[in-house]
Amino acid sequence: EVQLVESGGGLKQPGRSLRLSCAASGFTFTNYAIHWVRQAPGKGLEWVSSISATGGSAYYGDSVKGRFTISRDNSKNTVHLQLNSLRVDDTALYYCAKDRSTRVPSSGSFDSWGRGTLVTVSS
Amino acid sequence: EIVLTQSPATLSLSPGERATLSCRASQNINTFLAWYQQKPGQAPRLLIYDASNRATGIPARFSGSGSGTDFTLTISSLEPEDFAVYYCQQRSNWPPITFGQGTRLEIK
Repeated sequence: EVQLVESGGGLKQPGRSLRLSCAASGFTFTNYAIHWVRQAPGKGLEWVSSISATGGSAYYGDSVKGRFTISRDNSKNTVHLQLNSLRVDDTALYYCAKDRSTRVPSSGSFDSWGRGTLVTVSS
Repeated sequence: EIVLTQSPATLSLSPGERATLSCRASQNINTFLAWYQQKPGQAPRLLIYDASNRATGIPARFSGSGSGTDFTLTISSLEPEDFAVYYCQQRSNWPPITFGQGTRLEIK
């Protein structure tokens, strides 16, 4: 069974940093791109970042580009999202999601999701 | 950036009725569209990918259609568990990946 478990969320002041992690199991981790999607309280879904299966390619949404960094450790089946220069509007539930396909480039659709980790940015 | 506009914002129907949800793209996205269902307190679930392909384990009452800029998610006969929020998502020439604002399907 595919499992994705996010961790690392919490309450931070604006301008501070946080590192989120996504631990994966139940599939061949090295074959799949992994994505981060966030959802502000009561709002819709926003794509944040993606990393290819090898880790050689990373992509970011405009609202986080230059502040967030995605990485993966294929020896530990884990993806990280480093959040720097946090802003109040980064407050959201952050989901990691598995790409649907093993193709390269990845499909950009998400067939398994974690339960999310909550990031709250407030002074 | 490709903008997806979903309509209606809210759809009120009864169990057993047919639901038709729409998603319009601001430019041609071929068939690079997916649909997700999200229930309160849960993560989204992939229903349809590439406009018309049901994801693994998705009941046959869910179907998707469309290409180019206009897409439809149809639920042929609503079950009580189908009342949720539905999002469309495009992956044409990503990044970026974008989502529609969602359609809330509520019990009438």
